[in-house]
Amino acid sequence: AQSVTQLGSHVSVSEGALVLLRCNYSSSVPPYLFWYVQYPNQGLQLLLKYTTGATLVKGINGFEAEFKKSETSFHLTKPSAHMSDAAEYFCAVSLIQGAQKLVFGQGTRLTINP
Amino acid sequence: KAGVTQTPRYLIKTRGQQVTLSCSPISGHRSVSWYQQTPGQGLQFLFEYFSETQRNKGNFPGRFSGRQFSNSRSEMNVSTLELGDSALYLCASSFTGGTYNEQFFGPGTRLTVL
Repeated sequence: AQSVTQLGSHVSVSEGALVLLRCNYSSSVPPYLFWYVQYPNQGLQLLLKYTTGATLVKGINGFEAEFKKSETSFHLTKPSAHMSDAAEYFCAVSLIQGAQKLVFGQGTRLTINP
Repeated sequence: KAGVTQTPRYLIKTRGQQVTLSCSPISGHRSVSWYQQTPGQGLQFLFEYFSETQRNKGNFPGRFSGRQFSNSRSEMNVSTLELGDSALYLCASSFTGGTYNEQFFGPGTRLTVL
C-alpha cells in the first residue's frame, strides 16, 4: 500500500529564512506527487504537482519541490519565508493515472517568526 | 468561474442521528471526491464519484455513503452518527479527462457530533 511520511509535524523558521518541508513516500511504481496548503478554516489549495517529466517542479507563491526517485522523496522548499506562508502543508500521492484518490501525509504546520 | 461550494459549512448533530452534506463542483467538472479530516487520523479518502457512479472507495464503514446527480453535484450521508465522526469533511472536484487532473477543494463542512 502506498503511504506518505512527512517528517516534522511542526516547523518554525524566521521570516526570510529557507523553508524546507520533508516528504517521503513508499511506492513500488512511479507515483504522482502533490503538495497542498491549508489555511485556517479553509480547504486545500494545490501548491505544485509532479506527474511526469522534469523532476524539479515549480509551484505557486515561490515554492518548489524536487522528485528524487532514489530517495523516494519530494521535499518542498522556498528560498525566503514570508509571514503569509504560515499554514499547514500536506504532501500527497496518487498511484493511478486519472484516479481521483489521494493519500495524504499527516501534515506539517509551518510557523514563521518575525 | 465559481469554486467548489459545500453546504452547510457547520453542522451540529447528536449521536445516532443521520446527516447529509452537499457539494457543488466547479462547472464542467465531472468527478467529485470526499475526504474526512480529523486531528488524529489526518486526511482520509472516503469515495469518488464520476458520472453518477462510485469509482473509488476508501476504508470507511457502510454508514458512510454518497451519491452524485446528473449535474455532477454530490451528497454524502452518514447514518447513525458516532462521536468519532466529528470532523471536517472536504469535497474536491476535477475535470478528469484522461491524464491526472488537479483536484480543487471546497472549504469543507465542519461536523460536530455531541
